[in-house]
Amino acid sequence: GAGVSQTPSNKVTEKGKYVELRCDPISGHTALYWYRQSLGQGPEFLIYFQGTGAADDSGLPNDRFFAVRPEGSVSTLKIQRTERGDSAVYLCASSSGARSYGYTFGSGTRLTVV
Amino acid sequence: EDQVTQSPEALRLQEGESSSLNCSYTVSGLRGLFWYRQDPGKGPEFLFTLYSAGEEKEKERLKATLTKKESFLHITAPKPEDSATYLCAVYPSGGGSEKLVFGKGTKLTVNP
Repeated sequence: GAGVSQTPSNKVTEKGKYVELRCDPISGHTALYWYRQSLGQGPEFLIYFQGTGAADDSGLPNDRFFAVRPEGSVSTLKIQRTERGDSAVYLCASSSGARSYGYTFGSGTRLTVV
Repeated sequence: EDQVTQSPEALRLQEGESSSLNCSYTVSGLRGLFWYRQDPGKGPEFLFTLYSAGEEKEKERLKATLTKKESFLHITAPKPEDSATYLCAVYPSGGGSEKLVFGKGTKLTVNP
């Protein structure tokens, strides 16, 4: 597609529930990143995929968070047993690997845990 | 630990009033420094990458510069449509990580 698409744009869930957030990157982009942005903060790195594999998952806060990219395109971020502190905007970005152009970010999924 | 500090947190300008935003960073090694613009409810939009001290990049009313410890985003004769949050991020070398480390941003408001 023309840009990075994230769905849903908004998600409200109850504490303790499971959620899945989807990212559809720019066609042909091999690198995919997930970031989390809390109110008034800059984006915080979660995980990086190169192709199908998670090349760097050092930013995942705990084992409730997991992400997959089974065919090297669409990625899903999965959060188990959600907590109120998980409320944030989850941003996905993709890149062709050419660092000089930075990433292209999606508009994010705003997750609210009540 | 790699750190990015942006100042000021917020800046109000009158249309046409030029100013600069600051990004100070501490990294073990720098592969690149990025500037992004973020509008409310949107993801960050890429503006510039700088790689080495002394480098400058320009785009319309914006000019980014880089020294060994900080970067500046100069805004010349801003317009109301330049209102946004400007984010600075560093791409550290070493450690094998591909992550960018972001600052908290500077929220710029340009009044007509």
